[in-house]
Amino acid sequence: SQQGEEDPQALSIQEGENATMNCSYKTSINNLQWYRQNSGRGLVHLILIRSNEREKHSGRLRVTLDTSKKSSSLLITASRAADTASYFCATGLLNTGFQKLVFGTGTRLLVSP
Amino acid sequence: EADIYQTPRYLVIGTGKKITLECSQTMGHDKMYWYQQDPGMELHLIHYSYGVNSTEKGDLSSESTVSRIRTEHFPLTLESARPSHTSQYLCASSERKQGVVGELFFGEGSRLTVL
Repeated sequence: SQQGEEDPQALSIQEGENATMNCSYKTSINNLQWYRQNSGRGLVHLILIRSNEREKHSGRLRVTLDTSKKSSSLLITASRAADTASYFCATGLLNTGFQKLVFGTGTRLLVSP
Repeated sequence: EADIYQTPRYLVIGTGKKITLECSQTMGHDKMYWYQQDPGMELHLIHYSYGVNSTEKGDLSSESTVSRIRTEHFPLTLESARPSHTSQYLCASSERKQGVVGELFFGEGSRLTVL
């Protein structure tokens, strides 16, 4: 089954509101990363949080990580219409001989003006 | 802006045709990846490479093949396309970092439709 699962699958809010997306995973991780994808485009890296970190900020983004619960959340504050996109968490795994990222199912965010 | 390029962006072809999706990066990254993504769905790793002459299959079985003859170039080939190959293919690269899974830089994707 998928390593990372996100909820909600879709989120619709008004401009100025905060958006929170959650990610759960199954195995031990090296780090957890969040990416954004505009419709029909490639993914863009937003933020990386290491397994020994609990919280990280970048501009209007706040990411938390709880390794005991194997979960992470992404908070976008004061959302804008331009934040409309799909957001994916990705768990960084250090398997023997290979490092890889496993992507979650994604949350589709719609921010209405 | 990431310096990783994919061509073509869109391709519509008939069943049985051979196609090659191109991916090039100018960042000197050792690691390169191909992901497959259906609309609105998660990404699945189909191929990866740690460097020149190194290629491995990913988590999702794919009938495609890849090659890595030059560091900057990681093309994906389908010898005989079928409608089930219709999907978006995303190429990515990352630096080699000891003990750390680094961030990925993605191309804009190649959307393939097989009729």
